[in-house]
Amino acid sequence: DVKVTQSSRYLVKRTGEKVFLECVQDMDHENMFWYRQDPGLGLRLIYFSYDVKMKEKGDIPEGYSVSREKKERFSLILESASTNQTSMYLCASRSYEKLFFGSGTQLSVL
Amino acid sequence: SQKIEQNSEALNIQEGKTATLTCNYTNYSPAYLQWYRQDPGRGPVFLLLIRENEKEKRKERLKVTFDTTLKQSLFHITASQPADSATYLCALWMDSSYKLIFGSGTRLLVRP
Repeated sequence: DVKVTQSSRYLVKRTGEKVFLECVQDMDHENMFWYRQDPGLGLRLIYFSYDVKMKEKGDIPEGYSVSREKKERFSLILESASTNQTSMYLCASRSYEKLFFGSGTQLSVL
Repeated sequence: SQKIEQNSEALNIQEGKTATLTCNYTNYSPAYLQWYRQDPGRGPVFLLLIRENEKEKRKERLKVTFDTTLKQSLFHITASQPADSATYLCALWMDSSYKLIFGSGTRLLVRP
């Protein structure tokens, strides 16, 4: 079974802090994704990576950056956290047409 | 503008009945459409995929239809069980893109 692991289930940070969300997959997938999920808005794509060191902006990249130094790890960085970045963050990796998601990180920015 | 629409209201049905969820889209020409299940506090889990040249796909108690003329997919769960209670998301994949675009999901509640 594919396993996508996100480092934290719950995270509480203060406004202005730099926040790192980590995601690791164990199936050697090339494509990895970061989404955020908000009530009524569904999943929105922040960034994706199609290979090591390769990244593309999704639909809502503002305020975020990413890092993919190794194939198995894709990190989402909030350079200066703001309250409107309070959300559920979901990482996924792709195998053919399917996405495999992690359990998500519920981030609260106070 | 491009949109994927799923019923925002929860669907509440009696155990044993068939649940039917709808996914409508505008201004997309997807290569295929997928359905995912999401339980509270968890990530979505892939259920079924249907390609643009397929009309219907089945997997155990699940059935998906795809009408590219109507721009609509229907997702059916037959003989529904309380364990089927969850949020169901549809998602579109365009051939020219790496992106999977999701609807906001419909919550299904199956009463015992």
